[in-house]
Formats: sequence, C-alpha cells, structure tokens
Amino acid sequence: DIQMTQSPSSLSASVGDRVTITCRASQGISNYLAWYQQKPGKVPKLLIYAASTLQSGVPSRFSGSGSGTDFTLTISSLQPEDVATYYCQKYNSARLTFGGGTKVEIK
Amino acid sequence: EVQLVESGGGLVQPGGSLRLSCAASGFTFSSYSMNWVRQAPGKGLEWVSYISSSSSTIYYADSVKGRFTISRDNAKNSLYLQMNSLRAEDTAVYYCARRMTTVTYLLDYWGQGTLVTVSS
Repeated sequence: DIQMTQSPSSLSASVGDRVTITCRASQGISNYLAWYQQKPGKVPKLLIYAASTLQSGVPSRFSGSGSGTDFTLTISSLQPEDVATYYCQKYNSARLTFGGGTKVEIK
Repeated sequence: EVQLVESGGGLVQPGGSLRLSCAASGFTFSSYSMNWVRQAPGKGLEWVSYISSSSSTIYYADSVKGRFTISRDNAKNSLYLQMNSLRAEDTAVYYCARRMTTVTYLLDYWGQGTLVTVSS
C-alpha cells in the first residue's frame, strides 16, 4: 500500500507569512494528489486536486505543486481564516490514502 | 444542491454491531460511486470503504475487512455501512463521500458525519 507522509505535523506562523506543507508518497502517484482543509468541527473541504488545480472558489493564495512522490501546498500570505488542519490525499486508485495532517496556527 | 446525510451512529459496546446510513439527494445517486471515510477523535482521516455505482466493485481498508460491509440501495438513494465486531479503535466520526466522476477517484461532496463510540 502507498503511504502518504506529511510534514510538518504542525506549524505556527504570523499573518502574512508564506507557509509551505509537504507531502511525500511512498511510491509514484503521478499527479493524483489532492489537498483538503479541515477547520475544527467541520467537514474536510477540497482545496486542490491534480496536485496543482485550484478547486472553484478557493482563494488564489493557495497553490499546489509536485508530481510523482513529492508535493507541496503553499499559502502565499497566511490569513486568520486559514487556521485549520490540512491533509494530502492520493487518489490514483479506489483505495484512498490520506496524509497524517498538518495543523496550521497563527503565531 | 448535493446533500449527504449520515445517520445511525451512537454508543455501542465492544463486539457489538451498528448500521450506518447515508441519505443522498440533489444528484443521480445511481450514477455515482461512494465511499465511507472515518476520523477518530483528534486524529486524521482514514478511508474505510468504496462501492461502485452498481455495487459490482467493493473495497475495504485492511483495518475493517471482514468486519464491515458496505452496500447501497439505488432505489432509495441510500448508502449503508454494516459494522460488526466493533472495537474501541473503530470509535470515530464516519463520513460518506461521493466519488467526483468516473474518471477520477477524487471525493467532491462529504456528509456532516455521524459519531460512532465503541465503549463499555
């Protein structure tokens, strides 16, 4: 089974900072990589799919990159409403796998 | 508007059984594959099971294989998860989620979840 490893597991940054989260797949998954945002007590929300395609309605400060085994999610200018846990997910097969999550807080 | 509403969660003793339901509306349910995803309290997301639109293809996570059974009733626009031999580690919020299209396994819509607590 393909494992998805995210880092860091948590981070604290100031408003306006650039934030980068990484996700590594144990095997190549081409660009079948999605990023979800989950705010406390809420349902996960799809932010990015196909590694770099922004879901409709998602602010442009979010971006994704990568292919194969290494992927990144970048928030170009962190906002207070971005406080959440972010998960990567591989979807190259029906057996989905999520990363362990990265909790983003405001310093 | 696409809606997925889970029900059936609750408190159950270890070794017990529970059946979750997910009522779908706002789309042609019979055309979409569906999934169950769970999240233990304070933990990350874990995919549980997948069922194709016609029920011809079914997959389970190793952690639930042999204990959980996914099914659907397209006439009733409903998805189910029969959970047997429940363990404390099955305690989680269970979400049903829709596969976006037939060309991708991406999930586009999620329900609000139903909490299952396995405890004596």
